[in-house]
Amino acid sequence: DIQMTQSPSSLSASVGDRVTITCRASQSISNYLNWYQQKPGKAPKLLIYAASSLLSGVPSRFSGSGSGTDFTLTISSLQPEDFATYYCQESYSSPITFGQGTRLEIK
Amino acid sequence: EVQLVESGGGLVQPGGSLRLSCAASGFSFNSYWMSWVRQAPGKGLEWVANIKQEGSEKYYVDSVKGRFTISRDNAKNSLYLQMNSLRAEDTAVYYCARDFSGLVGAIDYWGQGTLVTVSS
Repeated sequence: DIQMTQSPSSLSASVGDRVTITCRASQSISNYLNWYQQKPGKAPKLLIYAASSLLSGVPSRFSGSGSGTDFTLTISSLQPEDFATYYCQESYSSPITFGQGTRLEIK
Repeated sequence: EVQLVESGGGLVQPGGSLRLSCAASGFSFNSYWMSWVRQAPGKGLEWVANIKQEGSEKYYVDSVKGRFTISRDNAKNSLYLQMNSLRAEDTAVYYCARDFSGLVGAIDYWGQGTLVTVSS
């Protein structure tokens, strides 16, 4: 199975900050990497698919990059509604696996 | 509007069985892979299983193989998860989910989730 490792596990930042979350796969997954946002008590929401494609309706301050084993999610200017937990997920092969999550908190 | 509504969760004893259902609407159900994803209380997301449009391919996470069965009824726009031999570690919110068109495994719509608690 492919292991997905996110860093950091938690992060404190302020509104307006630029934030980067990284995700590393245990083997090459090409660009089969997706990013989700989850708020407490809610279902996750897909933000980025195929490493760098922004889902329709997702604000452009979110961006993704990477290929192979190393990926990043960047939020260019944090907004109050962005404080949440973020998960990466590989969809390269079954079983599909998620990273452990990065909790983004208000500083 | 895409809607996924799960039902069937509840309290069950270890070793027991439960069948989750998901009613889909607002899209052409038979055109999409579908998935189940779970989240234990206070923990991260874990993909459980997915199923191809016509049901000919099914995949599972190792921890549920041989105990859980994913199925679908395209005539009823419904997805199911039969869970047998349940264990305490299966306790979680179970989400029904639609795979993003053209990218199996990426999930663009999620249900609200149904809680399964395995405890004596």
